[in-house]
Amino acid sequence: DVKVTQSSRYLVKRTGEKVFLECVQDMDHENMFWYRQDPGLGLRLIYFSYDVKMKEKGDIPEGYSVSREKKERFSLILESASTNQTSMYLCASSLDRGEYQPQHFGDGTRLSIL
Amino acid sequence: AQSVAQPEDQVNVAEGNPLTVKCTYSVSGNPYLFWYVQYPNRGLQFLLKYITGDNLVKGSYGFEAEFNKSQTSFHLKKPSALVSDSALYFCAVRDIKDTNAGKSTFGDGTTLTVKP
Repeated sequence: DVKVTQSSRYLVKRTGEKVFLECVQDMDHENMFWYRQDPGLGLRLIYFSYDVKMKEKGDIPEGYSVSREKKERFSLILESASTNQTSMYLCASSLDRGEYQPQHFGDGTRLSIL
Repeated sequence: AQSVAQPEDQVNVAEGNPLTVKCTYSVSGNPYLFWYVQYPNRGLQFLLKYITGDNLVKGSYGFEAEFNKSQTSFHLKKPSALVSDSALYFCAVRDIKDTNAGKSTFGDGTTLTVKP
């Protein structure tokens, strides 16, 4: 079974802090994704990556950056956290660029910015 | 551009009754379609997908979905609902022409509540 592990289930940070959210997958997947989930807004794609050191902006990249130095790890960075970034963050991975491959999700990090 | 709509925020059914969770999509080419389920405090889990072929797709936990190209719909169904089916359901679409790394567009989700 594919396992996508997010380093923290719950995280509380202060406004202006630099925040790192880590995600690791164990199935050698090429593609990795970061989403935020807010009530009534569904899943919104922040960034994705299809290879090591490659990244592409999703629908809401402002205020975020990402890093993918190793294939199995995809980090989301909040450069200067703000209260409107309080949300549930979900990481996902999928195999190759195969269009029919589903995404596998971690259990999420619930981030609160005070 | 691709988009997906789940017209119902909430669906309520009684245990043992059939359930339907609706999804419509828009793509410029042909679609790949997915359903996922999310239980409280968990990530999304893949249920089923439509790629090509038979319009009726069977998936996990007794769920199935029917692809209707003329109506651009991909409704999720189950003949007999269980209380344990209560969860948040997401429909997702990819345009075959979109080569962006398996990137899908998700609907806003539908909360299914099955009452005993």
